Amino acid sequence: ELKVEQNPLFLSMQEGKNYTIYCNYSTTSDRLYWYRQDPGKSLESLFVLLSNGAVKQEGRLMASLDTKARLSTLHITAAVHDLSATYFCAVDMQGAGSYQLTFGKGTKLSVIP
Amino acid sequence: NAGVMQNPRHLVRRRGQEARLRCSPMKGHSHVYWYRQLPEEGLKFMVYLQKENIIDESGMPKERFSAEFPKEGPSILRIQQVVRGDSAAYFCASSTGWGLETQYFGPGTRLLVL
Repeated sequence: ELKVEQNPLFLSMQEGKNYTIYCNYSTTSDRLYWYRQDPGKSLESLFVLLSNGAVKQEGRLMASLDTKARLSTLHITAAVHDLSATYFCAVDMQGAGSYQLTFGKGTKLSVIP
Repeated sequence: NAGVMQNPRHLVRRRGQEARLRCSPMKGHSHVYWYRQLPEEGLKFMVYLQKENIIDESGMPKERFSAEFPKEGPSILRIQQVVRGDSAAYFCASSTGWGLETQYFGPGTRLLVL
């Protein structure tokens, strides 16, 4: 059974600071996704990482993937209040032609002025 | 281009009633996924459908839950004889299904069972 673990689960940080969220997964997969969810809202796709060593950046967020270590990171640079949300990583299970995503429990980020 | 649409957005049912949740995928998408999210949890996969076919239902509870995606019309997730433990947010996602495609999520239906 594929397991996806995120840490930390809760993160409170001051504006302007940097921090990293970690996502570990238990079986081989070459595809990892990061989503953002605001309270009471749906999931917004942030990044799709498709191969070992992939790095993608959008604004103050940068995601990377190390498939050998089965680890992805989401790095936040100079946090601002608008980044407060819950961030999920998800891994693709490609068995039997199904593309179901297995999600971590999420990291709830609060950026404090 | 409208995104994934779900309705209703909120649904209240009493124990024992039936709940029907609808999902219209994005235009051009023929693959639909249903996920359930309990409070303070990540999403859990339930079922993956293409038009008129269930591809993977490994996440569906064995009883009371069913899903369909007919040739015409939205995908429907049906929960019979709801219980309090069914209270959750149910999200639908869609993709083209071809190659390495991101799943795009709808706004969700929040089901409350009294």
